[in-house]
Amino acid sequence: EPEVTQTPSHQVTQMGQEVILRCVPISNHLYFYWYRQILGQKVEFLVSFYNNEISEKSEIFDDQFSVERPDGSNFTLKIRSTKLEDSAMYFCASTGGRVGDTQYFGPGTRLTVL
Amino acid sequence: AQTVTQSQPEMSVQEAETVTLSCTYDTSESDYYLFWYKQPPSRQMILVIRQEAYKQQNATENRFSVNFQKAAKSFSLKISDSQLGDAAMYFCASAGSGNTGKLIFGQGTTLQVKP
Repeated sequence: EPEVTQTPSHQVTQMGQEVILRCVPISNHLYFYWYRQILGQKVEFLVSFYNNEISEKSEIFDDQFSVERPDGSNFTLKIRSTKLEDSAMYFCASTGGRVGDTQYFGPGTRLTVL
Repeated sequence: AQTVTQSQPEMSVQEAETVTLSCTYDTSESDYYLFWYKQPPSRQMILVIRQEAYKQQNATENRFSVNFQKAAKSFSLKISDSQLGDAAMYFCASAGSGNTGKLIFGQGTTLQVKP
């Protein structure tokens, strides 16, 4: 069964460093998302991506964040200058032909900022 | 704006018994979708059940079923014949059809299953 994959599973970085979180969505999916979950809290929407551009972003997704789909398979989230409060689990998700379809989540990347 | 509220931070159930997790939501969308996701200790998000708001019939998936009350904006999850493997955090979520389909999650309910 197709699945969303994410790498790395755990990333430790120093405050102020840049990190890139990588995702490979399910191959025929069209809509891509990043969410984050601070430990013990709810899952929060960061950004959605469709047709090679951002379709919506939350207020969390400030100028320090960017997303890219550099080729036909990868979908990346970059944080330019990490802060302590960026420590969280980051989930990538994708869905098929229309909004409202089930979003399939990757296993997440745990980001720890020291 | 969409909001999702889960008022039960923790629930427990005896193995083989039935438990119901509550969820209420608010949305300005006329067409929307509701979901329950399960998050075990591995923190993977796993879809449990999906409901299309325009459908009157409550969704079911094996031991999992929902009670969708559209007028009351309520979407509860019933787990029958609870198993030890059902122990997890459960998140209720909504997605509108008129925007990008982003999921708005509730705060989650931790379900403990007692042997």
